Amino acid sequence: GNSVTQMEGPVTLSEEAFLTINCTYTATGYPSLFWYVQYPGEGLQLLLKATKADDKGSNKGFEATYRKETTSFHLEKGSVQVSDSAVYFCALSVSGGYNKLIFGAGTRLAVHP
Amino acid sequence: GAVVSQHPSRVICKSGTSVKIECRSLDFQATTMFWYRQFPKQSLMLMATSNEGSKATYEQGVEKDKFLINHASLTLSTLTVTSAHPEDSSFYICSARKDTSTDTQYFGPGTRLTVL
Repeated sequence: GNSVTQMEGPVTLSEEAFLTINCTYTATGYPSLFWYVQYPGEGLQLLLKATKADDKGSNKGFEATYRKETTSFHLEKGSVQVSDSAVYFCALSVSGGYNKLIFGAGTRLAVHP
Repeated sequence: GAVVSQHPSRVICKSGTSVKIECRSLDFQATTMFWYRQFPKQSLMLMATSNEGSKATYEQGVEKDKFLINHASLTLSTLTVTSAHPEDSSFYICSARKDTSTDTQYFGPGTRLTVL
């Protein structure tokens, strides 16, 4: 079946620290991979996506590379800010079946000044 | 942009009553809308997928008669929680997809349902 596994949180960092949130997946077929972010009190927002192996998605200083060989899509940012504090969800979508999204459990990030 | 709204943002109801939640795509037509449920500090669980003008497809374990979904137009889908009970209290989130050529979903801000 299809599933997404994320590192457990919470992740607590100081401002300007390097961030990595691990995400691995299992999927039948060739999934598209996503990172969504949920800021406190808000709905999910698409942060970045990659649709095929070796693609790199990037946005707002975040990036993730679709690694087929390791079935991973780790999220990274070189220097986090307090405003990055949120819950981050890794997700996959497999074509067919309405392209429904399968989410990981989410990782809460707290960045302190 | 691609904005999805939900109404209401919060609702409190008595046990046994029904509650309707609306999901609208404001600046695009959505061929497909999805309804999710999110428990505190947990991930989103897909409840059902709806396509405009056809019956919703429910995920395993989701009661069709309890969670009624209507997708009457390309910009509106509704979720009705019938005969609500306290265990139905949750955060309900909808999302919309523009067309079948994309797998990107745009999410609404969610509706907090509390059943007393």
